[in-house]
Amino acid sequence: DTEVTQTPKHLVMGMTNKKSLKCEQHMGHRAMYWYKQKAKKPPELMFVYSYEKLSINESVPSRFSPECPNSSLLNLHLHALQPEDSALYLCASSQTMTSGINEQFFGPGTRLTVL
Amino acid sequence: AQSVTQLDSHVSVSEGTPVLLRCNYSSSYSPSLFWYVQHPNKGLQLLLKYTSAATLVKGINGFEAEFKKSETSFHLTKPSAHMSDAAEYFCVVSDRGGSYIPTFGRGTSLIVHP
Repeated sequence: DTEVTQTPKHLVMGMTNKKSLKCEQHMGHRAMYWYKQKAKKPPELMFVYSYEKLSINESVPSRFSPECPNSSLLNLHLHALQPEDSALYLCASSQTMTSGINEQFFGPGTRLTVL
Repeated sequence: AQSVTQLDSHVSVSEGTPVLLRCNYSSSYSPSLFWYVQHPNKGLQLLLKYTSAATLVKGINGFEAEFKKSETSFHLTKPSAHMSDAAEYFCVVSDRGGSYIPTFGRGTSLIVHP
């Protein structure tokens, strides 16, 4: 199984809502990533988990809260978002983050709209 | 610090003609280089990767790329474009100096005319 799954596919939320994005992989990968992608732009790295520990936080606002409950799952908890947070949120995984030869496997993304 | 430059924001070709998407990189170490494709509202899919083995790398769907250290380039080519190749393409570099965190190019939009 070389698939990364993400749920939901689409999410519309108000600025006062709390919601969560979910990502799952069963490839035995020990590095997992959250990216934010705006239209016609490359993905921007938000967070990296390595062996279930938060390894990188790219100065992301605290209204985004990541969580890695186990080696297969990655969540992104959302609270009090702003309209400018509307974007495609991509999850990715790789074998590890300590070697450059490991390509990333991407999920299909969650299209988030904040009203 | 590692960096990557995709020289064209858009490339337009006719179906059946060759495709060339250009990518230059900067790295103080031995880089790994990747090309990913993204169709509209989809995730990214790996086309091919270079990791210091053969300099000519063959990927999926007839794409290939050549690593040229002297020119710091990793251009993506395909002999004959298909309508289904229309998508966004990202060149990505990763090296030890960047803690192996991938750095993405800005992307090149490939347009294929019938």
